[in-house]
Amino acid sequence: QQQVKQSPQSLIVQKGGISIINCAYENTAFDYFPWYQQFPGKGPALLIAIRPDVSEKKEGRFTISFNKSAKQFSLHIMDSQPGDSATYFCAAPRADYKLSFGAGTTVTVRA
Amino acid sequence: DGGITQSPKYLFRKEGQNVTLSCEQNLNHDAMYWYRQDPGQGLRLIYYSQIVNDFQKGDIAEGYSVSREKKESFPLTVTSAQKNPTAFYLCATRTSGGNFGNEQFFGPGTRLTVL
Repeated sequence: QQQVKQSPQSLIVQKGGISIINCAYENTAFDYFPWYQQFPGKGPALLIAIRPDVSEKKEGRFTISFNKSAKQFSLHIMDSQPGDSATYFCAAPRADYKLSFGAGTTVTVRA
Repeated sequence: DGGITQSPKYLFRKEGQNVTLSCEQNLNHDAMYWYRQDPGQGLRLIYYSQIVNDFQKGDIAEGYSVSREKKESFPLTVTSAQKNPTAFYLCATRTSGGNFGNEQFFGPGTRLTVL
């Protein structure tokens, strides 16, 4: 079973600051590494995803960096806003189109 | 209005009872999944179905059962054999199209509490 290690468990950032969340995986079955954003009491929503043949992908204030040789990838939230306060999950692909999820990072943005 | 619906939003169960959680989708996706979420843990896969009338056990299937008689529906039964069923249950579907050909999308969840 694919293990995904996500860190930190939680972080606090000032409004306008940068939030960085890191994930490490063991193996990959297909080319798709997504990040999900979850607000309390809601289901996770797909935020951004990347193929490992690309080293970086940016969508608005959210950027994924991917290091295939190190089996690591990270999410950067630029110019963090209070509305970004949520739990973020990374995921890595497994066989049979399954995903393994990290334990989650709770981000708190202070105004 | 398209998407994934889960019902009920909150469910209370007495010990020893079986309960069934509903998941319906109108996205025309073939694959559907059930996950369990506990505080401080990631999502853990209970069961998944790639196509109608077929399903496979995930990583924590003990104490759960599913059926997939229709493409739109994938109900999950939490049986009395599940020792610690209190959790947030999430249903997901997987597209065969999209940017990557295999994105998973989640429903709003059902919070089950055992009294």
